[in-house]
Amino acid sequence: GDSVTQMEGPVTLSEEAFLTINCTYTATGYPSLFWYVQYPGEGLQLLLKATKADDKGSNKGFEATYRKETTSFHLEKGSVQVSDSAVYFCALSAAGNNRKLIWGLGTSLAVNP
Amino acid sequence: DTGVSQNPRHKITKRGQNVTFRCDPISEHNRLYWYRQTLGQGPEFLTYFQNEAQLEKSRLLSDRFSAERPKGSFSTLEIQRTEQGDSAMYLCASSLKGENTEAFFGQGTRLTVV
Repeated sequence: GDSVTQMEGPVTLSEEAFLTINCTYTATGYPSLFWYVQYPGEGLQLLLKATKADDKGSNKGFEATYRKETTSFHLEKGSVQVSDSAVYFCALSAAGNNRKLIWGLGTSLAVNP
Repeated sequence: DTGVSQNPRHKITKRGQNVTFRCDPISEHNRLYWYRQTLGQGPEFLTYFQNEAQLEKSRLLSDRFSAERPKGSFSTLEIQRTEQGDSAMYLCASSLKGENTEAFFGQGTRLTVV
C-alpha cells in the first residue's frame, strides 16, 4: 500500500543554518504531496503542497519539489529561525475519491539561538 | 469561521468506560476525516465522511469504535469499553470536495485511559 518515509529526528540546528528533512514515498498512481507542521501546543497546519511531478511548493521560506523519478519530496529552508522549532510531517494524498492522508512519522526540529 | 473545533481537548477515563468526542468542521466543508496519533508517530487514518455518508473505515477501527455525522455537519467518535491501548490524540480534519483541496485540522482530543 501507499506509504511515506521521512528522516528520523530529532534535528537540532543553530539559527540561520540550512535545513533539509528528507521524505520519500511509495504510491500507486500520482498522489499529491504535503508538508504539515505542528508547533508546540497547536494543531497540524499545512505548510506547503505539490500536486504533480516537478511542482515546487513553497511557504514561509520553506520549499519542497515533487520528484517523481526519485519518489521524493524533501523539505528545505535556507536559514532557519528559532520560531521554526516544531514537528514536521510529510504526507501524501491517496488517489481516489476520499483523498485521505498517509503520513510519515514526523521529524522534530529544534532551532537554538 | 474559527476553523475545525474539537471537544473536549482532554479526556481521562477509566478502562472499560465509554467516551464520545465531537468535531465541528468548517461549515462549508463536506469532507470530514478522523485520524489517531500516538506519541512519536504520524497520524493514522480512521474514517472518512462525505456529507453524512461514512464512505471508508480503516481496519484500525475495531467494532468498539463508531463514528457518525448526522445531517452532514458535526461528527462524533465514540469508543466503547475503552482499553489502555486507545490512549492517543484523536484528530479531526475537514476539507472541500475536490482533487487538491487542503485539509484543515482541529487541535485534537487527547484521550488517556487509566
